[in-house]
Amino acid sequence: AQSVSQHNHHVILSEAASLELGCNYSYGGTVNLFWYVQYPGQHLQLLLKYFSGDPLVKGIKGFEAEFIKSKFSFNLRKPSVQWSDTAEYFCAVSGFGNEKLTFGTGTRLTIIP
Amino acid sequence: GAVVSQHPSWVICKSGTSVKIECRSLDFQATTMFWYRQFPKQSLMLMATSNEGSKATYEQGVEKDKFLINHASLTLSTLTVTSAHPEDSSFYICSARVPAPSDTQYFGPGTRLTVL
Repeated sequence: AQSVSQHNHHVILSEAASLELGCNYSYGGTVNLFWYVQYPGQHLQLLLKYFSGDPLVKGIKGFEAEFIKSKFSFNLRKPSVQWSDTAEYFCAVSGFGNEKLTFGTGTRLTIIP
Repeated sequence: GAVVSQHPSWVICKSGTSVKIECRSLDFQATTMFWYRQFPKQSLMLMATSNEGSKATYEQGVEKDKFLINHASLTLSTLTVTSAHPEDSSFYICSARVPAPSDTQYFGPGTRLTVL
C-alpha cells in the first residue's frame, strides 16, 4: 500500500524567508506526485504535479518541487514566502495508472508579516 | 477550467435522518469522482470511488449501506449519509478526475455536516 509522510506539522516563517516542506512517499512502482494547498476557509487547489520528465517542476504562485527518486521525496520549495501563503499544504501520491490519491497528513504554514 | 461544486456547503440535521450531498463538475465531464472525509486538522481520507454508470468502490472500513453513492451522470455524483449519527459529523469533500493526459483530481469546496 502506498503512504505519504509529511514530517513538518506546523511551520512558522517570517515574510521573505525561504520555504521547504518535506514529503516522502512509499510505493513500489512508478508514481504521480502532487502538492495541494488549502487556504483558510477554501477548498483544495492544485499547486503543482509531477508525472514524468524534468524532476524539478514549477507550479503556481512561485512554488516548485523536486522529485528525487532515490530518496522517495518530493519536497516543496519557495524562495521567498508571503503572508498570503499562510495555508495548509498537502502532498499526495498516486500509483501510475491508479487514479486513487493518498494524502499526507498536511503541513500548516503560518507566515508572520 | 476544472471547477467542482458541492451543495450544500453546510448542513445541520437531527440524528436518524438522511442527508444528501451533491458534487458537480461544472466545466468538464468526469467519469470518475471521489468522496473524502476530513477530520479537524487532519488529512483527507478516501471513502469511495464513484464511477459513472456503475457501483461505487468503497475503501476498507467504510460502510456502503450508510454512505450511499450514486454517479448518475458524467457531471454529478451524490453522497447520501443514511440514518446519520453525531459521529458522522465531519467535513465531506468530493473531487472529480480530469482524464488523461491531465489525470488530475480537482476538488470541491466541501460540505460541513453536523448531526445533532
